[in-house]
Amino acid sequence: GEDVEQSLFLSVREGDSSVINCTYTDSSSTYLYWYKQEPGAGLQLLTYIFSNMDMKQDQRLTVLLNKKDKHLSLRIADTQTGDSAIYFCAERATGGYQKVTFGTGTKLQVIP
Amino acid sequence: DAMVIQNPRYQVTQFGKPVTLSCSQTLNHNVMYWYQQKSSQAPKLLFHYYDKDFNNEADTPDNFQSRRPNTSFCFLDIRSPGLGDAAMYLCATRVSGGQETQYFGPGTRLLVL
Repeated sequence: GEDVEQSLFLSVREGDSSVINCTYTDSSSTYLYWYKQEPGAGLQLLTYIFSNMDMKQDQRLTVLLNKKDKHLSLRIADTQTGDSAIYFCAERATGGYQKVTFGTGTKLQVIP
Repeated sequence: DAMVIQNPRYQVTQFGKPVTLSCSQTLNHNVMYWYQQKSSQAPKLLFHYYDKDFNNEADTPDNFQSRRPNTSFCFLDIRSPGLGDAAMYLCATRVSGGQETQYFGPGTRLLVL
């Protein structure tokens, strides 16, 4: 079955870049997503990448996809205190009803 | 403008007392999902509706049921809540055939006393 792994915690200083990593197992994944969850709130879609892409940039966010290694990363440039949250990586499988599987989440702490 | 609305945001119930959580959407999406998220864990899919077709995950307990009376509304019924059912319950919607992005509501936090 699908499995998505993330490191649990990342701490960075305000203004630095943050890189959150994710590995997945389903090589047939079509879409890969990054969601942000603030305390007590639902999940907010930040960005996504289609599996035939290597990179996607959206303002301060850069997503890199290495399909060979099944590795996905999210880089946040000029990290701000408002970026403090839990970040979930998710993959969408092919076949069936194309279930989305979430990683365990990485808690990003931004130090002023 | 809220697109996926969940009510209530916080729900307290007693052990064994049935409870219903509600979700509504203004997006006219044909797919709706219910997830359970326990503290410091990933959201876990309970079931979803593809139009009117109900799809249950294999490991979703029988204690959890769902109703979708129309496109806009979906309900999660917990027939006999146990202490282990205390969690955040997230509703999400998607339109099939597009970018396949799921849009999440703010969640309902359930406390079981």
